[in-house]
Amino acid sequence: GEDVEQSLFLSVREGDSSVINCTYTDSSSTYLYWYKQEPGAGLQLLTYIFSNMDMKQDQRLTVLLNKKDKHLSLRIADTQTGDSAIYFCAEMAPDAGNNRKLIWGLGTSLAVNP
Amino acid sequence: NAGVMQNPRHLVRRRGQEARLRCSPMKGHSHVYWYRQLPEEGLKFMVYLQKENIIDESGMPKERFSAEFPKEGPSILRIQQVVRGDSAAYFCASSPSQGASYEQYFGPGTRLTVT
Repeated sequence: GEDVEQSLFLSVREGDSSVINCTYTDSSSTYLYWYKQEPGAGLQLLTYIFSNMDMKQDQRLTVLLNKKDKHLSLRIADTQTGDSAIYFCAEMAPDAGNNRKLIWGLGTSLAVNP
Repeated sequence: NAGVMQNPRHLVRRRGQEARLRCSPMKGHSHVYWYRQLPEEGLKFMVYLQKENIIDESGMPKERFSAEFPKEGPSILRIQQVVRGDSAAYFCASSPSQGASYEQYFGPGTRLTVT
């Protein structure tokens, strides 16, 4: 089945690291994504990881993938107030053919306190 | 390089009217996806189109909803005879046909309110 789960809220202090977690159920997932949504705005692709990788780092962002446990995490180092937003985890689980739909979690609302 | 463009950004319709949502993909992208974000819910896939073809419409409601991506011009999501339950944010995304075809870039969304 297709299901992506995330905790709904996370609160951190400015300068600390944030870790946002996600679990998924489809073992055939090929790509896993993190998107950021600020209030009233669209979704910004932050980073993604291919399922044959364990880790990907991009500046302040680190993605860890535990394929055995179907667990994905996003670590934001030195969190800033501008990082306050909703973070969505999504998976792409292509069937045979051209299926490219993304399956989404409900989003984790990150609040960064000064 | 302009990003994905959607218009209008906000749309108000009375019950029974038609809503037309437009999406212009990023330059060089020929794949378009539509997603719907209902209040207090996550995003749900609706349809995936390439130029002049519907590839996957497994997320489209069976009635009143249709989508197209003509050879020329933007992709259109059309909702006929809107009902209050159609009130949502509708997001369009695009991706290139080759290379990073697994990267979907989103527009700012159209927020539809049905009164």
